[in-house]
Amino acid sequence: GAGVSQSPSNKVTEKGKDVELRCDPISGHTALYWYRQSLGQGLEFLIYFQGNSAPDKSGLPSDRFSAERTGGSVSTLTIQRTQQEDSAVYLCASSLGSRNQNYGYTFGSGTRLTVV
Amino acid sequence: GNSVTQMEGPVTLSEEAFLTINCTYTATGYPSLFWYVQYPGEGLQLLLKATKADDKGSNKGFEATYRKETTSFHLEKGSVQVSDSAVYFCALLYNFNKFYFGSGTKLNVKP
Repeated sequence: GAGVSQSPSNKVTEKGKDVELRCDPISGHTALYWYRQSLGQGLEFLIYFQGNSAPDKSGLPSDRFSAERTGGSVSTLTIQRTQQEDSAVYLCASSLGSRNQNYGYTFGSGTRLTVV
Repeated sequence: GNSVTQMEGPVTLSEEAFLTINCTYTATGYPSLFWYVQYPGEGLQLLLKATKADDKGSNKGFEATYRKETTSFHLEKGSVQVSDSAVYFCALLYNFNKFYFGSGTKLNVKP
């Protein structure tokens, strides 16, 4: 597509429920990233995909968080047993490739997750 | 480790005022440096970048120079407009694949 598409744009869920967040990157972008932006905070790196593999998962805050990417395209971030501290905007970004410094990321508009 | 520190906001200016948003970084190696902007209700957009020391990135009247000696990448604009009101994020790209972002600086420009 023309840009990075994320869905849903807003999600309200009850504490303890599981949620899935979707990211559809720009066509042809091999690298995909998930970040979290908490209220008043900067962006926190979660996970990075190159193709379908995730060479860097170091930012996932707990084992309740997982992500997968299939077909080198769409990625899903899953949060199990959500907690109130998971409330944040979850941003997805894609880029042409891990070794191309001439391009920044292209970000999606994010999914605002509220855990009540 | 790698990190980015930028001035806290909000920064409030009158239209046509001069803008500086300070950004300093700590990094191993030679990162690339970026400024991203987030307009109200929108996603992050790349504003400008610099990939090596002494490079100057510029876009839409904004500019920033990669200063290795002071590990800084301050954002400047000579005359701000109301439409520049947004949150600005300084970031470094480490090892080609991981960005480290500052906490963001909110800019309010009043008519």
